[in-house]
Amino acid sequence: QKEVEQDPGPLSVPEGAIVSLNCTYSNSAFQYFMWYRQYSRKGPELLMYTYSSGNKEDGRFTAQVDKSSKYISLFIRDSQPSDSATYLCAMSYGSARQLTFGSGTQLTVLP
Amino acid sequence: GAVVSQHPSRVICKSGTSVKIECRSLDFQATTMFWYRQFPKQSLMLMATSNEGSKATYEQGVEKDKFLINHASLTLSTLTVTSAHPEDSSFYICSAIGTGYEQYFGPGTRLTVT
Repeated sequence: QKEVEQDPGPLSVPEGAIVSLNCTYSNSAFQYFMWYRQYSRKGPELLMYTYSSGNKEDGRFTAQVDKSSKYISLFIRDSQPSDSATYLCAMSYGSARQLTFGSGTQLTVLP
Repeated sequence: GAVVSQHPSRVICKSGTSVKIECRSLDFQATTMFWYRQFPKQSLMLMATSNEGSKATYEQGVEKDKFLINHASLTLSTLTVTSAHPEDSSFYICSAIGTGYEQYFGPGTRLTVT
């Protein structure tokens, strides 16, 4: 079993839809949780960073962490075609600060 | 957010030659930098972790004599692919961390070895 599981998709939604992306993890030591967006042939871009259970909102994006269930989510409201990309969840713990990634979910927002 | 640059963005080299890729943190001091490799439609694979002024720590299976990493300052790390072969062709991405836990990535370097 992988430490971090993420549905690879592909996920296709119409413009304006609410998108829900999810990851589960098995290592309870993970403390820091991140969501990245990666366009084709580009480096990942940090979208959200959280370290406690609960919700964190930034514009159209909401990150949710449930440490008791070992489950994190990213919600995208009013999705746009420019949101079409691969979304990676990532998490870390300890002083080494190395990230463990999910496999990525490919999202397409149709105009 | 913080900005990390990489140079070059794309390089083509002949088999047997060496290639150097630079990674710079432009607006913060990076205490730690990471080097990744990414194959098409796959997630990132960590190659090594480098801390400023000390030797890099390589992941299992990564040849340290082939992938030379230098982290000479708090804003610059370099990856040199020595004696490159076609199987080294890939997308190489660096990332950097300051004093927190947020990791910022560079735009990547596409290496093609002919």
